[in-house]
Amino acid sequence: DAGVTQSPTHLIKTRGQQVTLRCSPKSGHDTVSWYQQALGQGPQFIFQYYEEEERQRGNFPDRFSGHQFPNYSSELNVNALLLRDSALYLCASSLRSQETQYFGPGTRLLVL
Amino acid sequence: DQQVKQNSPSLSVQEGRISILNCDYTNSMFDYFLWYKKYPAEGPTFLISISSIKDKNEDGRFTVFLNKSAKHLSLHIVPSQPGDSAVYFCAEGGGSNYKLTFGKGTLLTVNP
Repeated sequence: DAGVTQSPTHLIKTRGQQVTLRCSPKSGHDTVSWYQQALGQGPQFIFQYYEEEERQRGNFPDRFSGHQFPNYSSELNVNALLLRDSALYLCASSLRSQETQYFGPGTRLLVL
Repeated sequence: DQQVKQNSPSLSVQEGRISILNCDYTNSMFDYFLWYKKYPAEGPTFLISISSIKDKNEDGRFTVFLNKSAKHLSLHIVPSQPGDSAVYFCAEGGGSNYKLTFGKGTLLTVNP
């Protein structure tokens, strides 16, 4: 049973660039959430996708956008990168009817 | 203002003894609480959860206690093992929210 997978594992970008991170949910899951984890902090909710639509959004600027595909996989896009966007980006999947979210290994983004 | 607080950044215990990790919350609207464990360079791993209608849930060596009047949650690990050494996050969810709100985490070190 495949768990949540994310790609790439690491990424280095420069300020002003754009980045796309990818996530495949756990087999059988239909809901994908994205979180940002800064050093020494807990994960912060960015947004959640269900049925290819953004269902809820956290306190993140419009530079952060996402997409969910018909196969339930998802992308997180960040435009006009800032130094403070450097963080671990976590994808979590779940079933719409269940509360528990299962996390992938994350993508470590470094913005120089 | 933090809705979920883990006031102990770190905890050190001896192998075989009990580890008690604590969490306080401010919002009574949430339906359930979860504990996750995180090793370096990995995503959070789901450990155990509890519904707000219960006051205890047990799974093997892990027991979570919920005190609603005190708005306090604790995770007990008995007996503690060196492999339990990791950062532990409590999170709350449910109500009108689809997201999980995390504390900052507690680093548990279990010494052989």
